[in-house]
Amino acid sequence: EEQLVQSGAELTKPGESLKISCKASGYSFTSYWIGWVRQMPGKGLEWMGVIYPSNSDTKYSPSFQGQVTISADKSITTAYLQWSSLKASDTAIYYCTKGGSGYYYWFDSWGQGTLVTVSS
Amino acid sequence: QSALTQPASVSGSPGHSINISCTGTNNDVGGYNLVSWYQQNPGKTPKLIIYEGNKRPSGVSNRFSGSRSGNTASLTISGLQAEDEGDYYCSAYAGSSTVIFGGGTKLTVL
Repeated sequence: EEQLVQSGAELTKPGESLKISCKASGYSFTSYWIGWVRQMPGKGLEWMGVIYPSNSDTKYSPSFQGQVTISADKSITTAYLQWSSLKASDTAIYYCTKGGSGYYYWFDSWGQGTLVTVSS
Repeated sequence: QSALTQPASVSGSPGHSINISCTGTNNDVGGYNLVSWYQQNPGKTPKLIIYEGNKRPSGVSNRFSGSRSGNTASLTISGLQAEDEGDYYCSAYAGSSTVIFGGGTKLTVL
């Protein structure tokens, strides 16, 4: 069974750095794109970007380019989303997702979400 | 890139059908047959219900169907059930290696 298990909720302060994780299992990690989707409180879904773990090819939404870094460690089938300096507006649930059929145009598996709260 | 346009809310009675529209441009919805739809029940994780415009993943009810005409994609849910209540999001490939989502539509089953 395909599974994406994300790291736990985080409470951080503005200006701090953070790295959240997504452990994949039940499928060939290097054959599918992994993506990240943001959902701010009470709001809709936003596509942040994706990574192909086999060669670390990464694509970002213009809205998130330069704001976050997506990476992956294929030796432990884990993807990451990181910030170097968090802002209060980064408060949201972040979902790790798996691209369907070897593409990144849709996501057929989703992690449980990681709630990131940025507050002083 | 702007979000795709969806109605904020729709409603329907059990057993009836509803449609949710998703309007973009010829750079996204109209340019590629790569529209997908997601269902997010209250407090739950989103779930893929339609991909490539009109294909259903294994296990998704055939009460869900997708279509596209020009720059507008549509999700139809037939035989409405109480469990269908929740938020629905469309997404589309927007070129330049990016994907965009719609703003979401809240479905209420009366």
